[in-house]
Amino acid sequence: DAKTTQPPSMDCAEGRAANLPCNHSTISGNEYVYWYRQIHSQGPQYIIHGLKNNETNEMASLIITEDRKSSTLILPHATLRDTAVYYCIVKSEVRGADGLTFGKGTHLIIQP
Amino acid sequence: DTAVSQTPKYLVTQMGNDKSIKCEQNLGHDTMYWYKQDSKKFLKIMFSYNNKELIINETVPNRFSPKSPDKAHLNLHINSLELGDSAVYFCASRGTANTEAFFGQGTRLTVV
Repeated sequence: DAKTTQPPSMDCAEGRAANLPCNHSTISGNEYVYWYRQIHSQGPQYIIHGLKNNETNEMASLIITEDRKSSTLILPHATLRDTAVYYCIVKSEVRGADGLTFGKGTHLIIQP
Repeated sequence: DTAVSQTPKYLVTQMGNDKSIKCEQNLGHDTMYWYKQDSKKFLKIMFSYNNKELIINETVPNRFSPKSPDKAHLNLHINSLELGDSAVYFCASRGTANTEAFFGQGTRLTVV
């Protein structure tokens, strides 16, 4: 699975949009981009994933560049409960039983 | 209903003991996992298991062994516990490829 690069930490004001970048310049054609988050002391939580089209669900939006070398997770109206470590993971689905490879993630802190 | 549940939530034990952590999922998923999160918060895959194959991370000591009595359960057995085994262990499950993984709330193991 391709490696990802994320900033170690970010701040965002409550109520504003939080934009979390991820670089995955070595991504290959069959690899998806997944985002998970881990709120302190809890298990990781799935947010969203995509292949090449932009995706939106009730939690967030995922914007993937046309060359697929980077992506941005957008939390449209951040709340204090969104403070967490956010992980961008690139994963091939050729071997479905393989687990997720977590990097260091971005620690997002929502400021009141 | 909790999708992926682990027991116990906390486990304190002495060096040299043998212990088990239980995991159950009620999602009908075919694949289950065990992850370890160490004191530096790095999340690493330990095992992936479905009814067809067991994939072992080669860095996991053979003191650790997964046991699956049925598709809904994947227990983690640890023999001869060492201080370095202290960590939070997460169980997870996943259905087909291109879908999200669901994580349990973790078991905090402390070896004294």
